[in-house]
Amino acid sequence: DAKTTQPTSMDCAEGRAANLPCNHSTISGNEYVYWYRQIHSQGPQYIIHGLKNNETNEMASLIITEDRKSSTLILPHATLRDTAVYYCIVRKDAGGTSYGKLTFGQGTILTVHP
Amino acid sequence: GAVVSQHPSWVICKSGTSVKIECRSLDFQATTMFWYRQFPKQSLMLMATSNEGSKATYEQGVEKDKFLINHASLTLSTLTVTSAHPEDSSFYICSARKGLAGDTQYFGPGTRLTVL
Repeated sequence: DAKTTQPTSMDCAEGRAANLPCNHSTISGNEYVYWYRQIHSQGPQYIIHGLKNNETNEMASLIITEDRKSSTLILPHATLRDTAVYYCIVRKDAGGTSYGKLTFGQGTILTVHP
Repeated sequence: GAVVSQHPSWVICKSGTSVKIECRSLDFQATTMFWYRQFPKQSLMLMATSNEGSKATYEQGVEKDKFLINHASLTLSTLTVTSAHPEDSSFYICSARKGLAGDTQYFGPGTRLTVL
């Protein structure tokens, strides 16, 4: 699976938008971009995923560049409860021995300040 | 929807004993379940993948005789840590996927294992 690169940490003020970048320059055509987050001592929580179109749900928006080499997760109005480690993962959804597996990197520690 | 539970949420055991952790998909049938391990300040590491009714597939470096996985039904998978030792102390997390590989994985809340 394609490797992803994320900043180690980011800060955001409560009520402001949090924009979390992710580079995945070696992404293949059949690989999706998934975002999960992990609040301390809990299991990861699914946020959103996409292939090439921008996606939005009740939690966040996902913006994928046209060349698909990078993406940005946007939390439109961050709250203190959004403080977590955010993982950007590229996953094959068809074919290969890593079919469907999620490989977690180190993620971005997002801290939302009052 | 898509809730995954784990039991117990934490367990403390003596060295040499075996510990079983259950993972259940509460509102969907999970064809595939995954088991991860997470050490303090580290990311999640995939241990094994199990499909209902089949033997689990273990990742390189994971001892299949030490970490026994059973996926006997579409809603239940168990991980048994046999002859646990202090180095097995970790946060064990399961995830479940509804059907095809393209389906989203949903994670359980994790089980904290401490081996004395």
